[in-house]
Amino acid sequence: AQSVTQPDIHITVSEGASLELRCNYSYGATPYLFWYVQSPGQGLQLLLKYFSGDTLVQGIKGFEAEFKRSQSSFNLRKPSVHWSDAAEYFCAVAAGNNRKLIWGLGTSLAVNP
Amino acid sequence: GAGVSQTPSNKVTEKGKYVELRCDPISGHTALYWYRQSLGQGPEFLIYFQGTGAADDSGLPNDRFFAVRPEGSVSTLKIQRTERGDSAVYLCASSSYGTTYNEQFFGPGTRLTVL
Repeated sequence: AQSVTQPDIHITVSEGASLELRCNYSYGATPYLFWYVQSPGQGLQLLLKYFSGDTLVQGIKGFEAEFKRSQSSFNLRKPSVHWSDAAEYFCAVAAGNNRKLIWGLGTSLAVNP
Repeated sequence: GAGVSQTPSNKVTEKGKYVELRCDPISGHTALYWYRQSLGQGPEFLIYFQGTGAADDSGLPNDRFFAVRPEGSVSTLKIQRTERGDSAVYLCASSSYGTTYNEQFFGPGTRLTVL
């Protein structure tokens, strides 16, 4: 069965520091992978996606993610975090012909000034 | 253009009551999804519509949950005999459909509280 694991429930970083959020997936075929961000009171916003091709994908707000098939991982990175990046981050994989999204439990990011 | 809208934004009901949650997708999007997000969890898939038909309802937790999309646009999620465990944020998403994956656009959600 398809699944997504986000090992870190909560992460705190200092503003200006680099960030890496981990995501591991389990899926038999070539996955469609996504990172979404959810701010308090806001809807889910797509940060970036991977379908095929270049394994390093660029997204909005300065985020990037790298797909590593050998490690079944799709980690999200940002070189310098801003206070406005504090939010909940979700990794997801699209499964099946209907492309329903299977989600991780999320990682809550706090940013210290 | 207008995004996905959901009404009401908040719904408080008593255990055992019936509720309806509405989703207005982006115009022209034929695919519509419902997800449920419990506190501290990621969203969980409930049901997928392609046009008017429910193409996949494997995520509905039991027969108290039902959803319709009679004209292939607006969808209503219906919950009978609500239980406290149904309390969650119910999310709707829509997308266009094609041979490649198309982004799902999410509404703001309906927060359901069952007392």
